Amino acid sequence: EVQLLESGGGLVQPGGSLRVSCAASGFSFSNYVMSWVRQAPGKGLEWVAGLSGSGGTAHYADSVKGRFTISRDNSKSTLFLHMTSLRAEDTAVYYCAKEGQWFGVDSFDYWGQGTLITVSS
Amino acid sequence: ETVLTQSPATLSLSPGERATLSCRASQSISNYLVWYQQKPGQAPRLLIYDVSKRATGIPARFSGSGSGTEFTLTISSLEPEDFAVYYCHQRSNWPPYTFGQGTKLDIK
Repeated sequence: EVQLLESGGGLVQPGGSLRVSCAASGFSFSNYVMSWVRQAPGKGLEWVAGLSGSGGTAHYADSVKGRFTISRDNSKSTLFLHMTSLRAEDTAVYYCAKEGQWFGVDSFDYWGQGTLITVSS
Repeated sequence: ETVLTQSPATLSLSPGERATLSCRASQSISNYLVWYQQKPGQAPRLLIYDVSKRATGIPARFSGSGSGTEFTLTISSLEPEDFAVYYCHQRSNWPPYTFGQGTKLDIK
């Protein structure tokens, strides 16, 4: 059974930093693209960043480029999102999501339960 | 960036009725169109991928159609558990992947 479990959310001040994690199980983690998708309170879904299975290719939404870094540790089947220079508009539930073996194909077929990040003073 | 526009924003129907949800893309996205269902407090769930392929475990009352820039999700006969928010998502023109703003399907 595929499982994705996010952790590391919480309250952070504007301008601060935070790292969230996503522990994966039930599939061959290193073979799949993984992404982070966020949802501001009461709003829709926004793709944030994606990373190839090897970790060699990353893509970012313009809204987070230069501030967020996606990474992975395939030996521990864990995906990370390191967020810096956080703004109030980054407040959201952050989901990790499994994709296919390459960017663009398939879908986000499995999602974690999400972790809430609140940026506020 | 490919913008997806969903309509209507809210759809009020009764159990047993047929639901038709639309998603329009600002440019052609071939067949890389996906639909998700989200219930309050839950993560999105994959329903349909590649326009019309049902994900594992999705009932046959859910179907997808369309091509190019116009797509439709149809629920043939609504069950009580189908009342939720539905999002379309494109994977053709990236980055970025984009989502529609959602259609809320609520009980009339």
